[in-house]
Amino acid sequence: GAVVSQHPSRVICKSGTSVKIECRSLDFQATTMFWYRQFPKQSLMLMATSNEGSKATYEQGVEKDKFLINHASLTLSTLTVTSAHPEDSSFYICSARGRQPTNEKLFFGSGTQLSVL
Amino acid sequence: DAKTTQPPSMDCAEGRAANLPCNHSTISGNEYVYWYRQIHSQGPQYIIHGLKNNETNEMASLIITEDRKSSTLILPHATLRDTAVYYCIVRVANTGTASKLTFGTGTRLQVTL
Repeated sequence: GAVVSQHPSRVICKSGTSVKIECRSLDFQATTMFWYRQFPKQSLMLMATSNEGSKATYEQGVEKDKFLINHASLTLSTLTVTSAHPEDSSFYICSARGRQPTNEKLFFGSGTQLSVL
Repeated sequence: DAKTTQPPSMDCAEGRAANLPCNHSTISGNEYVYWYRQIHSQGPQYIIHGLKNNETNEMASLIITEDRKSSTLILPHATLRDTAVYYCIVRVANTGTASKLTFGTGTRLQVTL
């Protein structure tokens, strides 16, 4: 089946620094990518949706200037957490949707655990 | 997308069938029922989806009631590796615009020896 690769799996950073998370679709073209955030013992919350070559659409309450999303190609999307603070510590997960016939399903990366000290 | 209701937790003995229910009484005619699961500290994994007919694949079976207001995911022979949070989601598939998945709280399935 389709594979989505997400890196890094875990990152620890100091408060005030920026962190970039990569999400790649390995064997299909991802026309749309979604970024989720998950706090401990909670469900996944959608942060933003990005279509290749266009600006991301952010969910209500998600700061677009803090969570920069780039989807420059059909196989790569990046999420940059700028000036990270301890409250940004969370599990970040990307997912990708391809063209037919794979567009019925979303495929997920393995997630990135971000810890901000 | 229609809202779903699932029990917060369930237990199942290893080797037994795990039957996970989901209510989606406001489902629309063009909305599919999707099931994903999330093993601890991993990304969600697609299991199965269906519109109105029962579906089966190598992982599970999906039984959808005739009125489509509820469904059941069946893991025929649960193993310890099936311990996870199971999410039932309804959404429109194959749409021209991006169709996002909205996750509820899911059912935490604990498979025991």
